[in-house]
Amino acid sequence: EIVLTQSPATLSLSPGERATLSCRASQSVINYLAWYQQKPGQAPRLLIYDASNRATGIPARFSGSGSGTDFTLTISSLEPEDFAIYYCQQRWNWPPSTFGQGTRLEIK
Amino acid sequence: EVQLVESGGGLVQPGRSLRLSCAASGFTFADYAMHWVRQAPGKGLEWVSGMSWNSGSINYADSVKGRFTISRDNAKNFLYLQMNSLGAEDTALYYCAKDIRSGGGSGQGIFHYWGQGTLVAVSS
Repeated sequence: EIVLTQSPATLSLSPGERATLSCRASQSVINYLAWYQQKPGQAPRLLIYDASNRATGIPARFSGSGSGTDFTLTISSLEPEDFAIYYCQQRWNWPPSTFGQGTRLEIK
Repeated sequence: EVQLVESGGGLVQPGRSLRLSCAASGFTFADYAMHWVRQAPGKGLEWVSGMSWNSGSINYADSVKGRFTISRDNAKNFLYLQMNSLGAEDTALYYCAKDIRSGGGSGQGIFHYWGQGTLVAVSS
């Protein structure tokens, strides 16, 4: 099973700052990596798929990069509504698929 | 607007069964692979099962294989998950999710739209 490790576990930043979230895979997933945002009491929302493609309706401040085993989600300038938990997900050997354990982005 | 509405969750004793439903609207349900993803309380996400648009390809996570059965009714726009031999480890919020691309096979494994989930609690 491919294991995804997200870092940091918690990231404390202020609105307007740049956020950089990491996801490392235990083996190469090529570019088959997605990012999801989950706010308290809500379902996850797809942000990025195939490493760098923004999903429908996702603001341009969200961007994804990386390939192989190392991936990054960047939020260029944090808005108040961006504070949430972020999960990465790989689909290299789909099915199945696995998720990372999440990074909590909190207001500093 | 894509809408996915899950139902059928509840409190159930260990070893018993439960059937979840997902009502889909706002898109051509019959064109898309569909999935169930769960989230244990305070924990991360776990893909549970997926089914192709025509039910020709069905897949399960190892943790539920042999106990859970996914099915769909394209005429009624419903996705189902029959859960048997439930254990405490199955306690979770169960989400129905639509795959990102239409077409054949098991889908892309990219979960584009999600319902709000239905809670399953397994306890004596």
